[in-house]
Amino acid sequence: SAVISQKPSRDICQRGTSLTIQCQVDSQVTMMFWYRQQPGQSLTLIATANQGSEATYESGFVIDKFPISRPNLTFSTLTVSNMSPEDSSIYLCSVLTGSGGYTFGSGTRLTVV
Amino acid sequence: DQQVKQNSPSLSVQEGRISILNCDYTNSMFDYFLWYKKYPAEGPTFLISISSIKDKNEDGRFTVFLNKSAKHLSLHIVPSQPGDSAVYFCAAADSNSGYALNFGKGTSLLVTP
Repeated sequence: SAVISQKPSRDICQRGTSLTIQCQVDSQVTMMFWYRQQPGQSLTLIATANQGSEATYESGFVIDKFPISRPNLTFSTLTVSNMSPEDSSIYLCSVLTGSGGYTFGSGTRLTVV
Repeated sequence: DQQVKQNSPSLSVQEGRISILNCDYTNSMFDYFLWYKKYPAEGPTFLISISSIKDKNEDGRFTVFLNKSAKHLSLHIVPSQPGDSAVYFCAAADSNSGYALNFGKGTSLLVTP
């Protein structure tokens, strides 16, 4: 299965600033997903990022707030823009592997103060 | 709305006994189901999956049962070990609609010696 390196693992950011989260995969994958887990909640899909096309955002998430890049089949970034305390969450990337399984990054714990 | 529900936020089981974690879903289009285990400060780790063409899948101490008519699945861990203590997430996907996972809120399992 694929191995994902996700950075940073945690950060504390000032409100109004932006943070870019990176995920590097050790193999080429077509489908990559970005999730958010707010305190006490389930993982919620933010967007699906396939290489060569615009990311597809779920209801409640917009590109201006969460721009995503997917420049190649092994890398993606998610930016959390103009942050507020409500954006404090764990953010996770995930890939669909060729065997039909899903692998997750270790997550980014974001605290906005 | 929450399409995947784990109604028990926590479960405590004695070592050696069976742990049963339950999950219900509302979307009849879901055809692929997974269980993930998550330790603090780590991303979810895949445990076991089942497709809708099966009603049972077994992997070592872990067995997943699927009851499509009841839209219910369960994860059995036998025998339970202290190292199984973690948060367990149930997830479901519609393979005809992009493969994105829908997660439950998780059940925190504590296995006591």
